[in-house]
Amino acid sequence: DTAVSQTPKYLVTQMGNDKSIKCEQNLGHDTMYWYKQDSKKFLKIMFSYNNKELIINETVPNRFSPKSPDKAHLNLHINSLELGDSAVYFCASSHIKGSLSTDTQYFGPGTRLTVL
Amino acid sequence: AQKVTQAQTEISVVEKEDVTLDCVYETRDTTYYLFWYKQPPSGELVFLIRRNSFDEQNEISGRYSWNFQKSTSSFNFTITASQVVDSAVYFCALSGIYNQGGKLIFGQGTELSVKP
Repeated sequence: DTAVSQTPKYLVTQMGNDKSIKCEQNLGHDTMYWYKQDSKKFLKIMFSYNNKELIINETVPNRFSPKSPDKAHLNLHINSLELGDSAVYFCASSHIKGSLSTDTQYFGPGTRLTVL
Repeated sequence: AQKVTQAQTEISVVEKEDVTLDCVYETRDTTYYLFWYKQPPSGELVFLIRRNSFDEQNEISGRYSWNFQKSTSSFNFTITASQVVDSAVYFCALSGIYNQGGKLIFGQGTELSVKP
């Protein structure tokens, strides 16, 4: 009974390619997030979606485009991949009640992206 | 601006020693949440605890305990009688409660190595 799942777990690709990472949660949460963990293990938020609406976009390049087809899914599409995009990408989900961010975020297993 | 500092980059202890991981935060919010997450070598992010800024009571869960002191803006984590399975990177994180879309601000992480 995986709560937050991501596919693929590993992604190796060439510079310039376009790739997608998929995320699904079965916790019934209304908000989903993408975080990036760099080579020094630093975690930074990229996006969050609440009820399919984008609410956080942390100055991420336009090459990154999140898409939320429904509350249980948040996919991340990356165009024209660059070497610097190599990182681990984590999806997470939680509840947000109105304008309050009161609930714990639960994370997926991560997707390790390597751009060659 | 919000910030979380984990000054200890790496800690190495021998099994059964007690160890404290430090976390200092900065925020202008009067209401906020603090979290600890564990990232074992397998890479997933595991939720450990969430504390509300209104609740300064210390918390104990088995060998884990947390000391929240608002006066010093610290939320330290102690592992008693450490075990090899405690080896992981531990992250402290901060989230504002109002109008912040659930964004988690992470510290740099502390890598704990417990040797047999």
